[in-house]
Amino acid sequence: GQNIDQPTEMTATEGAIVQINCTYQTSGFNGLFWYQQHAGEAPTFLSYNVLDGLEEKGRFSSFLSRSKGYSYLLLKELQMKDSASYLCAVRALGRGSQGNLIFGKGTKLSVKP
Amino acid sequence: EAGVAQSPRYKIIEKRQSVAFWCNPISGHATLYWYQQILGQGPKLLIQFQNNGVVDDSQLPKDRFSAERLKGVDSTLKIQPAKLEDSAVYLCASSIMGKVGEKLFFGSGTQLSVL
Repeated sequence: GQNIDQPTEMTATEGAIVQINCTYQTSGFNGLFWYQQHAGEAPTFLSYNVLDGLEEKGRFSSFLSRSKGYSYLLLKELQMKDSASYLCAVRALGRGSQGNLIFGKGTKLSVKP
Repeated sequence: EAGVAQSPRYKIIEKRQSVAFWCNPISGHATLYWYQQILGQGPKLLIQFQNNGVVDDSQLPKDRFSAERLKGVDSTLKIQPAKLEDSAVYLCASSIMGKVGEKLFFGSGTQLSVL
């Protein structure tokens, strides 16, 4: 079966650092995505990892360990506008040649002053 | 660059009625996806098109849901008849070629309430 786990909710303080974890068990692996989704809006792309290691992009970094089925999204210097849901998504095997993009339930991050 | 366009933004219907959603992907994007996002959950793939052909519709409840992308551009998703459990946001997304590492661009979605 396909399973992606991430915490339901997290709270952090403005200016701090927060790490959102994601573990996955899928049929095959063709990469892992992180998306940000503000309430009532479309998900927007944050990062993509296909090889082990850390990918850094400004205040956001994403890490992948394929052997452990684990990823995290690191957000630095938190701002109020970072309050949103963060979706972990894995490309697993599927009918298409590129596989299916399977989403976790999302982690709702609340940033407080 | 224009994003993925969806309409309507909101729709309220009674159970057993029919409803249709429309999506216009980013120009030049060959791959189009319809996702269902129930409140508090992540998006779930319903159907994926490559140009005007269906790549994957394994999770589409075909007894009531149908989708088409006749000219390989716009797409329509229909529900007939609707059930209470169909209440969700229906997201359309597109990508350039549907390759493994390509990111998906999502529309703002249609929020469906079935009463």
